[in-house]
Amino acid sequence: AQSVTQLGSHVSVSEGALVLLRCNYSSSVPPYLFWYVQYPNQGLQLLLKYTTGATLVKGINGFEAEFKKSETSFHLTKPSAHMSDAAEYFCAVSLLTGGGNKLTFGTGTQLKVEL
Amino acid sequence: EAEVAQSPRYKITEKSQAVAFWCDPISGHATLYWYRQILGQGPELLVQFQDESVVDDSQLPKDRFSAERLKGVDSTLKIQPAELGDSAMYLCASSIGGLSTDTQYFGPGTRLTVL
Repeated sequence: AQSVTQLGSHVSVSEGALVLLRCNYSSSVPPYLFWYVQYPNQGLQLLLKYTTGATLVKGINGFEAEFKKSETSFHLTKPSAHMSDAAEYFCAVSLLTGGGNKLTFGTGTQLKVEL
Repeated sequence: EAEVAQSPRYKITEKSQAVAFWCDPISGHATLYWYRQILGQGPELLVQFQDESVVDDSQLPKDRFSAERLKGVDSTLKIQPAELGDSAMYLCASSIGGLSTDTQYFGPGTRLTVL
């Protein structure tokens, strides 16, 4: 079975500071990994995804994530936080099972950005 | 930009009543997903369609939940009868195919409150 663990249900940073949201995965086969963002009362929007190839993945809104197989991690970073980055962030792993393509999500990290 | 449409956005119902949610995926997307997101948690897959066929409904509570995608385009998720524990956000997503690498695009969701 595949799963993801997000460390820290709440993270608070100052505007302009580095954002680091942690995600570790468990998988018996090479995983496909995703980060989604969710604003209040809205659906999820894809930030970035890792499938194969380059392990440093760049996404929208200045976010990037690095796939580290040795650490089983896929942490999300952004050099300088904006107030508009305040939202909930979900890491997910993709599992192809029985003909279905299932996303298994972590429990989410709520990012707060303070002035 | 094409989006996944869902209605209604909000639904309040009483316990034991029937409710239905509608989803219209991005045009040309063969795969449609229904997820349930309980407050404070990540989304969990309820059912996945490939065209009009169900490919994964292992987590769908079939005694009270049903889903259909009759013409392989839009879809309806029904709950009958609703229970207090069904209060959640119901998210619809679509992808162009059913591969693990395919991006799933999410709609804005339907927030269900059962009283």
